[in-house]
Amino acid sequence: NAGVTQTPKFRVLKTGQSMTLLCAQDMNHEYMYWYRQDPGMGLRLIHYSVGEGTTAKGEVPDGYNVSRLKKQNFLLGLESAAPSQTSVYFCASSYSKLGGPADTQYFGPGTRLTVL
Amino acid sequence: RKEVEQDPGPFNVPEGATVAFNCTYSNSASQSFFWYRQDCRKEPKLLMSVYSSGNEDGRFTAQLNRASQYISLLIRDSKLSDSATYLCVVNGGKLIFGQGTELSVKP
Repeated sequence: NAGVTQTPKFRVLKTGQSMTLLCAQDMNHEYMYWYRQDPGMGLRLIHYSVGEGTTAKGEVPDGYNVSRLKKQNFLLGLESAAPSQTSVYFCASSYSKLGGPADTQYFGPGTRLTVL
Repeated sequence: RKEVEQDPGPFNVPEGATVAFNCTYSNSASQSFFWYRQDCRKEPKLLMSVYSSGNEDGRFTAQLNRASQYISLLIRDSKLSDSATYLCVVNGGKLIFGQGTELSVKP
């Protein structure tokens, strides 16, 4: 049981390049989330998914796209990377909708992205 | 005003000390509350949920004050291994993370 995994762990991009971050979970969770973490800002929600085939915008969705083609995977895409997207990206998953006793979010180890 | 505010610290305390963190939130309709722990350059992990009546887990005690809209975390008998950043998390329909309070426990 690996929990939540993310690939890659590190990446350096040039401005304008594109890339996809992969998140996978083996806990059969319905809900998956992408966050970014910047110094002094806390974790901010980019996009989330409440089930296979669904996605929704979070707090800071601009410049990112997501897809949830399979229940266990949640992809985060950057179409044209900008220096402002330099950050640490965390994926998380949870069994149920937030607010219930089973709503603990389990986080992946993070992807450290630098855009030059 | 930020939706969730924490004192960023750092809190530098000796081993064995008692330390308390506070967190305030702005949404009075918030439904559930959590403390997460994040070690340096690692992912956040749930430390404990915070219940209305307050709850304890070993050396850790969490309290909720809905009237004043704050939650607290008390750590007794601090250990070196408690050194980390503690994130206050509030659910008001979506999870809002505080920026975290850094704790450093020294020998």
